[in-house]
Amino acid sequence: QVQLQQSGAELVKPGSSVKMSCKASGYTFTSYYIYWIKQRPGQGLEWIGRIGPGSGDTNYNEKFKGKATFTVDKSSSTAYMQLSSLTPEDTAVYYCARRTTAFAYWGQGTLVTVSS
Amino acid sequence: DIVMTQSPSSLAVSAGETVTINCKSSQSLFGSVRQKNYLAWYQQKPGQSPKLLIYLASTRESGVPDRFIGSGSGTDFTLTISSVQAEDLANYYCQQYYDTPWTFGGGTKLELK
Repeated sequence: QVQLQQSGAELVKPGSSVKMSCKASGYTFTSYYIYWIKQRPGQGLEWIGRIGPGSGDTNYNEKFKGKATFTVDKSSSTAYMQLSSLTPEDTAVYYCARRTTAFAYWGQGTLVTVSS
Repeated sequence: DIVMTQSPSSLAVSAGETVTINCKSSQSLFGSVRQKNYLAWYQQKPGQSPKLLIYLASTRESGVPDRFIGSGSGTDFTLTISSVQAEDLANYYCQQYYDTPWTFGGGTKLELK
């Protein structure tokens, strides 16, 4: 079965960066885009962008250009998202997801807390 | 960006009631090539990831109970939950995947009356 296993919670300082992972299993990793979605505490959902693991092709929501960077490691079927220049507004749960048509598969989320 | 507006933002219900959640998009989500509406509905319970309920506006995801019904076309969509059960108390989000950036509605919190 399709599974997306995300890395654990992070507590980071303002101005720093954080890199989180999303390990895929149960399907051919290079055949489907991995999507990243942000959810601030008690708030709604925002689409950050996507990466095609086979091609390395990326698409970013304009709002997150310069903030988020997507990479993959095909050998371990893992997608990564790095967030830079962190501020308290980046405090959120970050999900990775995979589509069938809509987002049918989600990771459990990585909580990033930005605090001094 | 396509703006998704959900209403109401919260809804208090009793078990067994039928509820309706509305979602309006700022532009049509109907794709003329495939003749489909690119609109999905998700359920999110506290501390959990969102769960896909409905895609293409009206198609239930595998395993989703048939009391969840999606309808609508173009810019106006509805999620109806018939005979609400206690396990349905959650937040519900609509999402368009017609055009990037894909965007979500602000959510509807379904609470117990």
